[in-house]
Amino acid sequence: TQLLEQSPQFLSIQEGENLTVYCNSSSVFSSLQWYRQEPGEGPVLLVTVVTGGEVKKLKRLTFQFGDARKDSSLHITAAQPGDTGLYLCAGLAISGSARQLTFGSGTQLTVLP
Amino acid sequence: SQTIHQWPATLVQPVGSPLSLECTVEGTSNPNLYWYRQAAGRGLQLLFYSVGIGQISSEVPQNLSASRPQDRQFILSSKKLLLSDSGFYLCAWSAGQLYEQYFGPGTRLTVT
Repeated sequence: TQLLEQSPQFLSIQEGENLTVYCNSSSVFSSLQWYRQEPGEGPVLLVTVVTGGEVKKLKRLTFQFGDARKDSSLHITAAQPGDTGLYLCAGLAISGSARQLTFGSGTQLTVLP
Repeated sequence: SQTIHQWPATLVQPVGSPLSLECTVEGTSNPNLYWYRQAAGRGLQLLFYSVGIGQISSEVPQNLSASRPQDRQFILSSKKLLLSDSGFYLCAWSAGQLYEQYFGPGTRLTVT
């Protein structure tokens, strides 16, 4: 069973600050997804990274997949209150015909105005 | 475009009562369908997934069951609820090789 650890578990920052959230595992994943979830709603897919070392940017959000495809990070520049939410990473492992998607435990981000 | 619906949005049920949560997907054919449970502010626990009508895989042994009577309909059931069944239940669908998940709005279940 693959495990994904996210850190920090909680993060509270002021508007305008930068932050980085980490997603780490001892297992190799074929791809990794990032989601954001607001209270009382379902998670929404932000991005999928599929190549080791890949960097994707989504406005002020930068996602990176580790070279060994065991870890990923999400960096937010100049955070805004609208970035508040639970950030979840999910790694897809492939073994033969089997596919397993494993979610991390999440990082709860609060951006204060 | 694809949409996913879940109902009810909230539910309060006594211990020992039955449960039926429904999920339907529109705008896609033969999707993979999933039921997750989420504890407050935490990650997602996969309960069941289905790759086709009548095909259900269970990830966690418990008093819940799932059924897929139609291609785009997924139902989560229980004959007798436990207090530990309380939580936020999410239905999701995926298609394609990346298994990207598209979630419904969720059902908040409180067992009293």
